[in-house]
Amino acid sequence: NAGVTQTPKFQVLKTGQSMTLQCAQDMNHNSMYWYRQDPGMGLRLIYYSASEGTTDKGEVPNGYNVSRLNKREFSLRLESAAPSQTSVYFCAIEERGRSNQPQHFGDGTRLSIL
Amino acid sequence: TQLLEQSPQFLSIQEGENLTVYCNSSSVFSSLQWYRQEPGEGPVLLVTVVTGGEVKKLKRLTFQFGDARKDSSLHITAAQPGDTGLYLCAGAHTGGFKTIFGAGTRLFVKA
Repeated sequence: NAGVTQTPKFQVLKTGQSMTLQCAQDMNHNSMYWYRQDPGMGLRLIYYSASEGTTDKGEVPNGYNVSRLNKREFSLRLESAAPSQTSVYFCAIEERGRSNQPQHFGDGTRLSIL
Repeated sequence: TQLLEQSPQFLSIQEGENLTVYCNSSSVFSSLQWYRQEPGEGPVLLVTVVTGGEVKKLKRLTFQFGDARKDSSLHITAAQPGDTGLYLCAGAHTGGFKTIFGAGTRLFVKA
């Protein structure tokens, strides 16, 4: 999707390995989000960043850390990957400050933990 | 915990049929959004409804927000194979940052 770029698109890890998922936007939106999507469970919020310099926990933050490097970039780190973290991860952005704005999503990172 | 329940979870229909997807919650939302997601891609916004009782139309798609702003429906008239995808509803509160997503309805339209 235009505006939100996620890397990598696919990744296979072994249990205990670490990795960082990258998200970059070119829409100059102030809020950024990380979700995971699992079958039958919809999108669940892991962490979000309301604006540059702030981050907050979402619904399922355990096992993850985030960094809002600048206004454009928001990374998600798995320090010690576990099979339960096998999922599709989506980064989203939103122009907060204006009510009822939609979220714009990247195309996702498909992560498998063996 | 706020929940948005979508039904049905899966729907397989013939081209030309009509269908309705439901999104229900016990919570009141300031706005509700419908997204469509295709395989290998992220969700894309279809519509946002904000006023209780509001009806919005997008070509063959009709969206309605319940009077109490707790539920919504998506009606597709004369479905086409191009409508195939995962439909997600999402509820939000003004000023909040935690949008709640339903689990989705997976629609398959056969030619």
